[in-house]
Amino acid sequence: KQEVTQIPAALSVPEGENLVLNCSFTDSAIYNLQWFRQDPGKGLTSLLLIQSSQREQTSGRLNASLDKSSGRSTLYIAASQPGDSATYLCAVSEDSSYKLIFGSGTRLLVRP
Amino acid sequence: DTEVTQTPKHLVMGMTNKKSLKCEQHMGHRAMYWYKQKAKKPPELMFVYSYEKLSINESVPSRFSPECPNSSLLNLHLHALQPEDSALYLCASSPRTRWPETQYFGPGTRLLVL
Repeated sequence: KQEVTQIPAALSVPEGENLVLNCSFTDSAIYNLQWFRQDPGKGLTSLLLIQSSQREQTSGRLNASLDKSSGRSTLYIAASQPGDSATYLCAVSEDSSYKLIFGSGTRLLVRP
Repeated sequence: DTEVTQTPKHLVMGMTNKKSLKCEQHMGHRAMYWYKQKAKKPPELMFVYSYEKLSINESVPSRFSPECPNSSLLNLHLHALQPEDSALYLCASSPRTRWPETQYFGPGTRLLVL
């Protein structure tokens, strides 16, 4: 059974720092991996999607990498801002059913 | 229109009530999803509709009854819920016409069962 783990569970950094969020999954047979952002009490916003054949994706200050063989993904946030404060979730899709299996998230606080 | 809308935003109901959650999207997506999210936990998939047909039911209790009247609308009918069903209920949609897919989430309905 696929399990997705995110470390750390919570992170507090001063504004301007570059930071890395980690995601690991137990079964490397995935279709894709997505990173989402969730603000408190709100829905999820898709940030980046990496297909299984890709190594990384970039959007603005965000860069996500995927190492399928080792079952790991990282989300790199450059020059963090207070507006980046949110919970970041990674999720893997294993097959064509498009079912997403989520990690428990990393709660990020960027201090002004 | 690139958003998924959900109504109501908040719902309080007793264990004997019947209520419905509504989800709507006008992006032409042909897959729609219901997720349940407890506090400080990740979303858990409940149901998937593909082309208006139920394709996945994650062993959800029958007190939750999904309905997809058309390709833009998804309902979740609630009956005889338990206090432990209190959670944020999220709806999502995806194109299902191209690969790769990304799911677009609505803001959720926060449900409290008394």
